[in-house]
Amino acid sequence: DGGITQSPKYLFRKEGQNVTLSCEQNLNHDAMYWYRQDPGQGLRLIYYSQIVNDFQKGDIAEGYSVSREKKESFPLTVTSAQKNPTAFYLCASSSQGGSTDTQYFGPGTRLTVL
Amino acid sequence: AQTVTQSQPEMSVQEAETVTLSCTYDTSENNYYLFWYKQPPSRQMILVIRQEAYKQQNATENRFSVNFQKAAKSFSLKISDSQLGDTAMYFCAFMKQWGLDNNNDMRFGAGTRLTVKP
Repeated sequence: DGGITQSPKYLFRKEGQNVTLSCEQNLNHDAMYWYRQDPGQGLRLIYYSQIVNDFQKGDIAEGYSVSREKKESFPLTVTSAQKNPTAFYLCASSSQGGSTDTQYFGPGTRLTVL
Repeated sequence: AQTVTQSQPEMSVQEAETVTLSCTYDTSENNYYLFWYKQPPSRQMILVIRQEAYKQQNATENRFSVNFQKAAKSFSLKISDSQLGDTAMYFCAFMKQWGLDNNNDMRFGAGTRLTVKP
């Protein structure tokens, strides 16, 4: 089945550690996105990529890093520089970076800092 | 910058009845897209419906329809014959039409928590 997968579903991190969240899609989409969702709030954009080997910062990129070495993969690293990383992280993709196409979402990763 | 406002943090409706969720947005763009996403307790974001701003006709998807008022910058979602499975957070979202100078990201409202009561 085509879709977007995120792993792990739950992730626990000690303070000072870097962790990487996985996002994979087999929809042949060009564009991929990472969002952060905090309780009672909408989604905020962390990073996005419209094409392989290229990505751009969103509104809240500080403390995060990404890579886009393959079309189907867009991992997000939460670094120790992110002061409040506990949140729900959602990955999305769309068929053309910048077109009218709709963004489709993965199931999300819940990150908790211990 | 575009902003999206959902003024109803929580709503409830009896099963089989109709409910309308409100959304307003602020933009200086003329060409854009509007979306309603549903987030059930599983937290999976599911597309409910989308509307292109250049289309005057309101979008419909089965029991879901929108009332798009471009001049008023309003984009409400109507759910008819509400079902228990409609219980979820509903997010309104805005996206500019693609252009060389924009990043094509979506702007989300804070959400409306809808509870369908049996």
